[in-house]
Amino acid sequence: EIVLTQSPGTLSFSPGERATLSCRASQSVISSYLAWYQQKPGQAPRLLIYGASNRATGIPDRFSGSGSGTDFTLTISRLETEDFAVYYCQQNGTSSWTFGQGTKVEIK
Amino acid sequence: QVQLVQSGAEVKKPGASVKVSCKASGYTFTRYYIHWVRQAPGQGLEWMGMINPSGDRTNYAQKFQGRVTMTRDTSTSTAYMELSSLRSEDTAVYYCVRLRNAFDIWGQGTMVTVSS
Repeated sequence: EIVLTQSPGTLSFSPGERATLSCRASQSVISSYLAWYQQKPGQAPRLLIYGASNRATGIPDRFSGSGSGTDFTLTISRLETEDFAVYYCQQNGTSSWTFGQGTKVEIK
Repeated sequence: QVQLVQSGAEVKKPGASVKVSCKASGYTFTRYYIHWVRQAPGQGLEWMGMINPSGDRTNYAQKFQGRVTMTRDTSTSTAYMELSSLRSEDTAVYYCVRLRNAFDIWGQGTMVTVSS
């Protein structure tokens, strides 16, 4: 099973700053199967990025994804107050899906 | 609009079973796999398994093999997840999710509490 590691667990930023979140896989991931989700307290997760770099419907262009192989990145170009949340990366291998443990983006 | 609507919260005793429903609307139910993901309080997301609504094929995470059963009723566009032999560690919010490019549509979640 592929393990996804997101570190650090918490990042602190001020609104307007640029945030870069990391997701590292224990073995190579097919880029088509790497996704990012945002979750706010009390809500279901929301798909942000699929296929490593494709924004989902309705996602603002300040969110972008990149990477390949074992290293993937989610970038939020200018943080807005509604972006402070927990972010998860996810991959699917051979009929098995795994999530990273999440990175919390909090207000500094 | 496209949505997945889940059944309400459940409280169960250890050793019991729970069955959660997930009704799809706004799209062709048989066209996309339905997955189940759970989240224990304060914890991350955990994939449980999936079902192909078209052919009834299932695939379960090894952790839940033997305890989980996923089914569907195409006449009502509803998917079901049944978890048996419940223990306190199964206390969590259970989500059904549609797989399109990724997990693009999520149900609102069903809180299952296991307590004696």
